[in-house]
Amino acid sequence: GAVVSQHPSRVICKSGTSVKIECRSLDFQATTMFWYRQFPKQSLMLMATSNEGSKATYEQGVEKDKFLINHASLTLSTLTVTSAHPEDSSFYICSALSEVSYNEQFFGPGTRLTVL
Amino acid sequence: QQQVKQSPQSLIVQKGGISIINCAYENTAFDYFPWYQQFPGKGPALLIAIRPDVSEKKEGRFTISFNKSAKQFSLHIMDSQPGDSATYFCAASRTAGNKLTFGGGTRVLVKP
Repeated sequence: GAVVSQHPSRVICKSGTSVKIECRSLDFQATTMFWYRQFPKQSLMLMATSNEGSKATYEQGVEKDKFLINHASLTLSTLTVTSAHPEDSSFYICSALSEVSYNEQFFGPGTRLTVL
Repeated sequence: QQQVKQSPQSLIVQKGGISIINCAYENTAFDYFPWYQQFPGKGPALLIAIRPDVSEKKEGRFTISFNKSAKQFSLHIMDSQPGDSATYFCAASRTAGNKLTFGGGTRVLVKP
């Protein structure tokens, strides 16, 4: 149990386009999900906390108008990278909080975004 | 400001040896300390976690040691196997369920 999926696993897009990444909790409900970004050989950096039915809370330095987060249901959160540029190329990882599992965060497999 | 410092950055150990990774934190409000294992191109997976009310926790070959006064905690991987070759991250949060602050990561290579 406690599986989190992400779609797509890889995406390549042209500079200036927008990309949507989905994060789903497959076998549990998640009021809270988190979005991270990880550059090669670096640690995970929290971008924002996504709460179902309310606005996301962004970390300092993360542009909320560029990284749009929607947590429309208890099993789905989406991250849209708007007007993507090459510097947005990164590994994006989501996690979902399972309240029935002592508030443990379960991580998705990640999405590799490459902006040409 | 890096609130969780992890060392070493990389580690090479022989099969059967012990891998030791250390982390230090600054925020005394942290009270949940998990360790994650990440393979290339994959998301991190929880290995083991500890809270400050205990000084040690063991699960199989993985042991966390916790020193509250020194604000340090460490991961010991006993009888290291080639399949343990991965990047390990320590993290900390103010209670489980709150946002995690990650250490910089340690790349472990276990040689057969």
